[in-house]
Parts: sequence; structure tokens; C-alpha cells
Amino acid sequence: GAVVSQHPSRVICKSGTSVKIECRSLDFQATTMFWYRQFPKQSLMLMATSNEGSKATYEQGVEKDKFLINHASLTLSTLTVTSAHPEDSSFYICSARQGVNTIYFGEGSWLTVV
Amino acid sequence: SQQGEEDPQALSIQEGENATMNCSYKTSINNLQWYRQNSGRGLVHLILIRSNEREKHSGRLRVTLDTSKKSSSLLITASRAADTASYFCATDATGNTGKLIFGQGTTLQVKP
Repeated sequence: GAVVSQHPSRVICKSGTSVKIECRSLDFQATTMFWYRQFPKQSLMLMATSNEGSKATYEQGVEKDKFLINHASLTLSTLTVTSAHPEDSSFYICSARQGVNTIYFGEGSWLTVV
Repeated sequence: SQQGEEDPQALSIQEGENATMNCSYKTSINNLQWYRQNSGRGLVHLILIRSNEREKHSGRLRVTLDTSKKSSSLLITASRAADTASYFCATDATGNTGKLIFGQGTTLQVKP
């Protein structure tokens, strides 16, 4: 079964609203999680590193005020897309690191902004 | 660009044939990983090769790594229609942060 769970798997929201996506590590603690975005027929682009108990580290070009990341516990990171617009429609996927070399990906969340 | 290069971008073969995909990257790495993604779905981890390894096998998969050329290849032997998917390489830079940088991907179609 999945060791990293994402919720919701699909969400449709109206333009201008905010939407939250959750990423949970199951059965292990993850001090570090990662958020990626994937547009159709493109590769995954790293958005940010989510650090438990501290601020997220954003990649160049990613607006931290638009993509709010909270990692309040060792098993949960959330990504909130604020004031969403149609161009934010994408596949968002998280990963969590267990130990040294093991990385687990969530199943991904499809966001459609209408 | 954050991402490495993969070639070919698209590959179409007949069932039973072998498929080879190549990946190049830019930075020093701790390891390189290959993933498969079916259309609209999440990632499936295929294989990890460490920077001090040159070749690794897993079932019908064979991965090579040439750190001097900063390149890797994935060979799928005796392909099946079920292998139809997109394949991505991803590098974990030196320092082993867990932060993966993905290549652009190869879309593989295996015709029955």
C-alpha cells in the first residue's frame, strides 16, 4: 500500500479561491518533504522543500506567498494554492524522505481552476 | 534549466523489442533514479544507482551510469505493451538532500 498519501486526488476550484493539498507520510516520520508541479506532457518541477518546524525553502521562480507550505508535524505537509488562477491548473505531487536513500512519492493531486 | 536532458523524447517500438532511454545531468550526484509514470498517474520507482556504481539490473531493467559523462541509460528488454508509459530519470545531488531533479522524460509506446 501507499506509504505517502495525498489528498485530495482531484479538486476543482473557482478562480480566486484557495485550495489546500495534504501530503501525509504513513508509518514513518518525515522531517523533510518535497512538492513538485507537473504540467501536462511535461516533467516534474521541484517547487519547494518542506521542513518540519521551520519555513519551507522555495525554488527560484516559485512564489512563496502564492504557494503556502506548512509542515506542522512529522507526518503532514500541506500546500495551499492561494488566489488560484487557471494557469495554476496542474498535477501537484509530493515526496517524503525516509532514512538516507529512500524517497516515497504520493499519488499526486490534480488541480483544475475554472 | 533545472532539468537534465533525456532522449529520445518519444520512442515507439513493437512488443518484444528492447527500449533504450538516455539521460544526461549537470551536477555532481549522490545517486540517480529512474521512475515510470503512467498517463495521469503518480510515479513508480524503478531503480536507484549510486554514484559509485556503473551498472545495475532489476528484472528486465538494466541501468548504466557514467559519472564522467554525467549520463545514464535505461534499457528495458523484451518490452511489453504494459511498459507503455513515460520514463523519467531523477538525480539526487551530492549531499543527499532527497531533493530530486527530474529529466524531461521519454514517452515510450510499446505496440502489441
